[in-house]
Amino acid sequence: NAGVTQTPKFRVLKTGQSMTLLCAQDMNHEYMYWYRQDPGMGLRLIHYSVGEGTTAKGEVPDGYNVSRLKKQNFLLGLESAAPSQTSVYFCASSYRAGWDYGYTFGSGTRLTVV
Amino acid sequence: GQQVMQIPQYQHVQEGEDFTTYCNSSTTLSNIQWYKQRPGGHPVFLIQLVKSGEVKKQKRLTFQFGEAKKNSSLHITATQTTDVGTYFCAGPPWGYNKLIFGAGTRLAVHP
Repeated sequence: NAGVTQTPKFRVLKTGQSMTLLCAQDMNHEYMYWYRQDPGMGLRLIHYSVGEGTTAKGEVPDGYNVSRLKKQNFLLGLESAAPSQTSVYFCASSYRAGWDYGYTFGSGTRLTVV
Repeated sequence: GQQVMQIPQYQHVQEGEDFTTYCNSSTTLSNIQWYKQRPGGHPVFLIQLVKSGEVKKQKRLTFQFGEAKKNSSLHITATQTTDVGTYFCAGPPWGYNKLIFGAGTRLAVHP
């Protein structure tokens, strides 16, 4: 099993450009999450999904959109990238509510906005 | 808002010394989870504690959950270079359906 796969692994964007980060899991997990990790700030939840076709806002949703059209995929979109969105982005999934069961994380996407 | 604090932020030890990181929440947690992130890697789930006062061990790692379910600790006995990384605690406050992560404790082990 591949687990949780994130693409791309690295990306450099210019301010104002858009992009989509893809997360795919092959564990039949219901719940999926997008986090960003910045130095000294731990992991902050951007958006999450409790099932196919559903999405919800996390702690820091502004500037991001998500979609969960298929159970195995969770997409994170940046419509107009800003330097403040330079970060490492992690996708995670869990079989049930991740707050009661551990998460499986992807290997991350390192995004730089210049 | 809900906060989960971890101390220390950074610690370096000599190989063979013990290490402890502490996690404190501003609110009662329904459970506490611990993750390890190696340098350049992604967080990996280590363990979950659910019961008040619970203690669990994984080889040289000992995890505790406080009686009030507001604090937790991770203790590593006789550190090895393979223990290098950042250790995060995370928990969902009661009635809150999201994990709140601490900022992590970065451990460096000198051979």
